[in-house]
Amino acid sequence: NAGVMQNPRHLVRRRGQEARLRCSPMKGHSHVYWYRQLPEEGLKFMVYLQKENIIDESGMPKERFSAEFPKEGPSILRIQQVVRGDSAAYFCASSPRASSGNTIYFGEGSWLTVV
Amino acid sequence: DQQVKQNSPSLSVQEGRISILNCDYTNSMFDYFLWYKKYPAEGPTFLISISSIKDKNEDGRFTVFLNKSAKHLSLHIVPSQPGDSAVYFCAADSEGAQKLVFGQGTRLTINP
Repeated sequence: NAGVMQNPRHLVRRRGQEARLRCSPMKGHSHVYWYRQLPEEGLKFMVYLQKENIIDESGMPKERFSAEFPKEGPSILRIQQVVRGDSAAYFCASSPRASSGNTIYFGEGSWLTVV
Repeated sequence: DQQVKQNSPSLSVQEGRISILNCDYTNSMFDYFLWYKKYPAEGPTFLISISSIKDKNEDGRFTVFLNKSAKHLSLHIVPSQPGDSAVYFCAADSEGAQKLVFGQGTRLTINP
């Protein structure tokens, strides 16, 4: 997990508030992925980004969720008007390139609790 | 629809013995498979991977076997050590998709 930095590690939000999760990829990696793990489930793909581009957002809920990876700075996963069902662990991952057989490396995760 | 399945939620193995974790998949387009290990409150750690052009890949105590006709892969850990106690996830990817599909995980407990 060394290298992919996520913050905050733990975040508590009241229903209706906004949550922002940040991810800095490993050095030299230009591809970022966000995954979500609900309690007692496996990880589910949410979105795949390169610098300034969303490549695949097929796993993102249609409303309230957005992601960006600006030219400068970390990738941000933003959840507006959070609900209890958004409580989960959100994992960011990165890879150096896009190709078949490309291993992605995960960060430590951000645990969101909605109260 | 669960494209990647780990049918055993948990597995208990004695220290020093072999641990065998299993994974089945349904999508024939998957061409790359990975195993990750996860401790509580941490992110998944990459263990080992295999391309669909191979049927076996070995790295130290870890060996992954792929049976394409059965759409089945397994992870062998030998000898098992207490530090191997964790949740193990298998994941699959298809050409260019860059979108891993994970199984539900198997909790491995190594008993002294």
